[in-house]
Amino acid sequence: DAGVTQSPTHLIKTRGQQVTLRCSPKSGHDTVSWYQQALGQGPQFIFQYYEEEERQRGNFPDRFSGHQFPNYSSELNVNALLLGDSALYLCASSPTGGGSQHFGDGTRLSIL
Amino acid sequence: ILNVEQSPQSLHVQEGDSTNFTCSFPSSNFYALHWYRWETAKSPEALFVMTLNGDEKKKGRISATLNTKEGYSYLYIKGSQPEDSATYLCAFMRGGLGSTLGRLYFGRGTQLTVWP
Repeated sequence: DAGVTQSPTHLIKTRGQQVTLRCSPKSGHDTVSWYQQALGQGPQFIFQYYEEEERQRGNFPDRFSGHQFPNYSSELNVNALLLGDSALYLCASSPTGGGSQHFGDGTRLSIL
Repeated sequence: ILNVEQSPQSLHVQEGDSTNFTCSFPSSNFYALHWYRWETAKSPEALFVMTLNGDEKKKGRISATLNTKEGYSYLYIKGSQPEDSATYLCAFMRGGLGSTLGRLYFGRGTQLTVWP
């Protein structure tokens, strides 16, 4: 039973570029959440997708957008990258109705 | 701003020592408190989901307690082993009118190192 998978593992971009990160949820899970963990901080909630809709959003600018596909997989897009976007991006999935969120290994994004 | 605080920030203990950490969270609009264990280069692993005041959960040598009225949870590790070395994260889930479940508010974690 595959858990949450994220790709790519690492990514290096320059300021102003755009990036897309991908996540496949754990089998049986239909809700996907994205978190950003900057150095020395706990993970910060970006947004959550359910039934292909953004259900709730954290305090992140519109440069951060996402999408959920019919198979429940999800993408996180970040436009106009800033140095401060350098972080570990975690995807978590959960089943309808809640319960533990299961996390992927994350994508390490470095902005030069 | 919703604050979840964890202490200590880091902890170094000898193999066999017992240890505990604290997670503080808002005492209002409580829905659930999650504990995760996060080893380097791996994904965070769910340890406990706690929902009721006075809850006590146990998994092997690790246990946790919950006090929702005063807004804190303790995580205990009995007889620490080197393989317990990890960052332990707690995360608060808010309930109440207008809340949408699912968003986790994380603390910064307690980094535990167990020396052989």
